[in-house]
Amino acid sequence: GNSVTQMEGPVTLSEEAFLTINCTYTATGYPSLFWYVQYPGEGLQLLLKATKADDKGSNKGFEATYRKETTSFHLEKGSVQVSDSAVYFCALRSGGADGLTFGKGTHLIIHP
Amino acid sequence: DSGVTQTPKHLITATGQRVTLRCSPRSGDLSVYWYQQSLDQGLQFLIQYYNGEERAKGNILERFSAQQFPDLHSELNLSSLELGDSALYFCASSDQGREPQHFGDGTRLSIL
Repeated sequence: GNSVTQMEGPVTLSEEAFLTINCTYTATGYPSLFWYVQYPGEGLQLLLKATKADDKGSNKGFEATYRKETTSFHLEKGSVQVSDSAVYFCALRSGGADGLTFGKGTHLIIHP
Repeated sequence: DSGVTQTPKHLITATGQRVTLRCSPRSGDLSVYWYQQSLDQGLQFLIQYYNGEERAKGNILERFSAQQFPDLHSELNLSSLELGDSALYFCASSDQGREPQHFGDGTRLSIL
């Protein structure tokens, strides 16, 4: 079946540091890949997505590239801010199913 | 604000009881998805409805059921509740294009 593995954290960084959150997946067929962000007390918000191999999703300074050969979709940001502190979820949708398969989430903490 | 409304925000009940969680999707969205977020299982897809019909099932227990009404709002019914059902239940909606899925803020269910 489908699965997503991501570093669980917490990941603690200083403001303006470089961020990488690793995500790898197992899926049948050719999945669409997503990063969602969850701020405290809120629902999940779509951060970025990629629907085919070598696509790069980007939003708000965050980027992730769909790497089919390594089955990965790592999230990166060049310079994080305190406001980026949240839980980040990697997810996939595969085949005819519309429900998303999520990783466990990575708690990111940014210190000033 | 995602436009997806979930009620109630919090629910406290006892083992063996039955509860109903309600979701109003974004205006115009035909698909509704239910997810469960718990500490041990993470975020899991439960079930999807599309324009009143069940479309896909995930890891939904037989004690749980859902429906989508003609006005497109959805209800998730949980019965014979157990301590392990304590979790955050999210509803998400999308138009017929499947994504992005827009998430509500969730209903936190506590079983005492």
